[in-house]
Amino acid sequence: AQSVSQHNHHVILSEAASLELGCNYSYGGTVNLFWYVQYPGQHLQLLLKYFSGDPLVKGIKGFEAEFIKSKFSFNLRKPSVQWSDTAEYFCAVRSYSSASKIIFGSGTRLSIRP
Amino acid sequence: DTAVSQTPKYLVTQMGNDKSIKCEQNLGHDTMYWYKQDSKKFLKIMFSYNNKELIINETVPNRFSPKSPDKAHLNLHINSLELGDSAVYFCASSQAGQGSYEQYFGPGTRLTVT
Repeated sequence: AQSVSQHNHHVILSEAASLELGCNYSYGGTVNLFWYVQYPGQHLQLLLKYFSGDPLVKGIKGFEAEFIKSKFSFNLRKPSVQWSDTAEYFCAVRSYSSASKIIFGSGTRLSIRP
Repeated sequence: DTAVSQTPKYLVTQMGNDKSIKCEQNLGHDTMYWYKQDSKKFLKIMFSYNNKELIINETVPNRFSPKSPDKAHLNLHINSLELGDSAVYFCASSQAGQGSYEQYFGPGTRLTVT
């Protein structure tokens, strides 16, 4: 069965620190990959997605992610975080064989100290 | 213009009651979903409809019954509510066959069963 692993449950950083959140998935076929963000008390919003082409994907608010097929990874990065980045971050995967079904990781809570 | 809307936003009810949550999307999408997010923020898909047809039905108690009167609406009815049903329920929509099946989420319905 497909699964998505986010190994960092809670990450605490100071403002201006660099961020990398890990995401690994278990599926050998062609996939679409997503990072969603959920700000406190709000719904999920798409940060970025990988569909095909350049494995380095740039998203909103200065976030980027790199798809490394050989490692089954899609890590999220940001060079300098802000207090407003405090949120829950979810990695998600859709395999081509599962039509519209997307599997979400368990989420990583990011806390930024001002 | 709200893309995916849900009502009510908050729902407090007693064990044993029956309640419904409604979802509407104005994006013209043909696929809609219900997710349950528990207190640990874990997001799990429950159901998905494509053009009013049920296509995803995860392991969910049969007290939960989705209904899609048309492709813009997906409602969730819950019978005999239990304490464990307390969670935030998110509706989402996507367009099948359009790129990466990116999902758009509603604001959520926080259900509290006492």
